[in-house]
Amino acid sequence: DQQVKQNSPSLSVQEGRISILNCDYTNSMFDYFLWYKKYPAEGPTFLISISSIKDKNEDGRFTVFLNKSAKHLSLHIVPSQPGDSAVYFCAASANGGGTSYGKLTFGQGTILTVHP
Amino acid sequence: DAGITQSPRHKVTETGTPVTLRCHQTENHRYMYWYRQDPGHGLRLIHYSYGVKDTDKGEVSDGYSVSRSKTEDFLLTLESATSSQTSVYFCAISEFQGWTDTQYFGPGTRLTVL
Repeated sequence: DQQVKQNSPSLSVQEGRISILNCDYTNSMFDYFLWYKKYPAEGPTFLISISSIKDKNEDGRFTVFLNKSAKHLSLHIVPSQPGDSAVYFCAASANGGGTSYGKLTFGQGTILTVHP
Repeated sequence: DAGITQSPRHKVTETGTPVTLRCHQTENHRYMYWYRQDPGHGLRLIHYSYGVKDTDKGEVSDGYSVSRSKTEDFLLTLESATSSQTSVYFCAISEFQGWTDTQYFGPGTRLTVL
């Protein structure tokens, strides 16, 4: 049972345009969500996060939106740059109960390609 | 840079042999995690540790064991490697203090079991 799903395996975008990556989850106990970027032969690097008490969080070109009723989050990258080409993972944890120890559940990943 | 190193970075081994992967951190983080990454599955949690000698199972723990005898080292052991354990293994650390914890990952170990 995949509790976190990224239904688009890949996304291709022109440089300067907006990239929108989507993620759906099924576990209503998830209360903290993160996006990671991964280049080949490297470990995932943290991009941005959002807690369930918010519906939007911005950090420079990156914005994450959370729709709790739809159990959906999205990552917007504006403007997209060729260096943003990577695999993007969304992840979720259920931290509010105090016993999750920060364990993360990841989606399958979306390969983003930004063309010059 | 979260001060995480993994060794070895690449390993090829034969089915049935034991394998130990090492994760080393330099910043005394309490929480450490082992994940594996496979196509179509993202990253899946194998085991995690919430302190020295305190470990627990994750989502895909069968065939793996871990040990943490000191804060800076978290070892992942495949007792008898199988081809299904061919994967890329990532270690992560965090200072889980409630809701807004963030995990930081090491560079990974690519393991091939022939």
